[in-house]
Parts: sequence; structure tokens; C-alpha cells
Amino acid sequence: AQSVTQPDIHITVSEGASLELRCNYSYGATPYLFWYVQSPGQGLQLLLKYFSGDTLVQGIKGFEAEFKRSQSSFNLRKPSVHWSDAAEYFCAVTGGGNKLTFGTGTQLKVEL
Amino acid sequence: DVKVTQSSRYLVKRTGEKVFLECVQDMDHENMFWYRQDPGLGLRLIYFSYDVKMKEKGDIPEGYSVSREKKERFSLILESASTNQTSMYLCASSHGGEENEKLFFGSGTQLSVL
Repeated sequence: AQSVTQPDIHITVSEGASLELRCNYSYGATPYLFWYVQSPGQGLQLLLKYFSGDTLVQGIKGFEAEFKRSQSSFNLRKPSVHWSDAAEYFCAVTGGGNKLTFGTGTQLKVEL
Repeated sequence: DVKVTQSSRYLVKRTGEKVFLECVQDMDHENMFWYRQDPGLGLRLIYFSYDVKMKEKGDIPEGYSVSREKKERFSLILESASTNQTSMYLCASSHGGEENEKLFFGSGTQLSVL
């Protein structure tokens, strides 16, 4: 069965600092991987996805993520965080088809 | 832009009541989903549908049913609400085909069962 682990429940960074959110997955074959963001009071919005090819993927709002098969990881990064990035971030995995398995989320707080 | 609309933002019901949560999408998407979101547990899939009148169980279907009579509408039904069904419910839709994993979410319904 597929699964996703987001080891950090909460992360606090200063505005302008770099950010890395961790995601580890478990899946028997090549996974499809996603990062979604949920702003307060909103549904989830897709930031980026990895299906195949280049292991470094670019997303919206200046985010990127790198797929590392050897580490079963798909960490999300941003070089300089803005106060508006404060939200909850979810990593998700599927083997194809649209039944996604989500992680438990990481709450990001940005200090001004 | 795709719009997924959930009929209520907040809902308060009593134990034993029959509860309907409605979701409508306006982009002719084939696939629709119901998730519940709980702190520390992330999102868990309750039911999903690939087509009108078709439904499949997700990871936690117990205590829930669904209805999809029209392509744009997907209803979640709690036959007899219980306090452990207090949660945030999120509806999502996706297009069939190459991008069927890209989900579009509604803003959610916070259900409280007293």
C-alpha cells in the first residue's frame, strides 16, 4: 500500500529565509508525487507534481521540489519565503489513477 | 478557472440525523471525490466517482454513502450522524485522461455533530 510521511508537523521560518519541507513516500514502483497547499479557510491548491523525467520540478509561487528515488523523498523548497506562504502543506502520492494518498501535513508559520 | 462549490461552509447537526453534503463542479470533470480532514491525520478518502451513477469506496467509507445522479453534482450522505463524524469535509474533482491526478478542491464544510 502507498503511504506518505511528513515528519514535521509545524515549521516556523523568518520572512526571506529559505524553506524546505520534508516528504517521504512508500510505493512499490515509480510514484506520481504532488505538493498541495491549503491557505486558512480554503481548499487545497496544487503547487507542483512529478510524474517522470527531470527530478527537479518547478511549481507555482516560486516553489520547487526534488524527487530522490534512493531516499524515497520529494522535498519541497523555496529560496525566500514570503509572509503569504503561511499555510498548511500536504504531500501526496499515487501510482497512477487518481486515488491520491495524502500525508498528515506541515503547518508553516512565517515570522515577520 | 475550475470552481468546486460546497453548499455549506459550516453545519451543525445532532446525533442520529441524516446529513447531506452537496458538491457541484462547473468544469465537466469526470471524477469527483469526498475527503475528510482531521488534525494530525491529513486527508482521508471516503468515496469517489468516475462517472454518473458510479461510485467506489475509498479508505474510510464506513458510515457514509454517496450519490451521483448528474455529472456535476456529488453528494455525501451520513445516514445517521455520529459525534466521531465531526470533521472538515472536502470535495474535489478532476478531469479524466492525462491530468486525472490533478485535483481541484472546494473550500470545505466544517461539520459538527452534537
